[in-house]
Amino acid sequence: EDKVVQSPLSLVVHEGDTVTLNCSYEVTNFRSLLWYKQEKKAPTFLFMLTSSGIEKKSGRLSSILDKKELFSILNITATQTGDSAIYLCARQSRSGNTGKLIFGQGTTLQVKP
Amino acid sequence: EAGVTQFPSHSVIEKGQTVTLRCDPISGHDNLYWYRRVMGKEIKFLLHFVKESKQDESGMPNNRFLAERTGGTYSTLKVQPAELEDSGVYFCASSQITTEAFFGQGTRLTVV
Repeated sequence: EDKVVQSPLSLVVHEGDTVTLNCSYEVTNFRSLLWYKQEKKAPTFLFMLTSSGIEKKSGRLSSILDKKELFSILNITATQTGDSAIYLCARQSRSGNTGKLIFGQGTTLQVKP
Repeated sequence: EAGVTQFPSHSVIEKGQTVTLRCDPISGHDNLYWYRRVMGKEIKFLLHFVKESKQDESGMPNNRFLAERTGGTYSTLKVQPAELEDSGVYFCASSQITTEAFFGQGTRLTVV
């Protein structure tokens, strides 16, 4: 079964630091790669990446996909305590008509004041 | 706009009992997914509805799990009889055809 692997599994930083979260995958033919943030309950959507090399930005967060090297990164600049969460990466399947997501284990980020 | 809602938020049942989880997707979303996260593992796909039809149920662990989606609206996931290894957080998500999936807050199921 193909996997999505995230690293690091956990990370502790101080406010103001910049962090880079990694996500690698094995399948070349897929629909899109997604990033979610999970604080207490529901994972909330951050980014959907379909094209290689095009950076998506939302405030202090940005993400990019490299389809040749089979990975994606999520950057968070000037981290705040509110960024503390589990960050989930998921590959969206292209097979059939299903858009099912295959998740990595998640990266737990703790931002200390 | 209301998001994806799941009921109950937490359920504790004894081994051998039956539990039914409910998911109300975002209005207008034809795609509805069930996922599960067991402790220490990644979130895993269970099944996918398009309207009332099961599009993909390859992730359903065994025949103790039964999912339905009445009239293409809300969905239920029944576990009968529940086993200890069924404990975990069950997430529901919905989406339009090609957009990102929106998740509910999950139901934490504990089988004792």
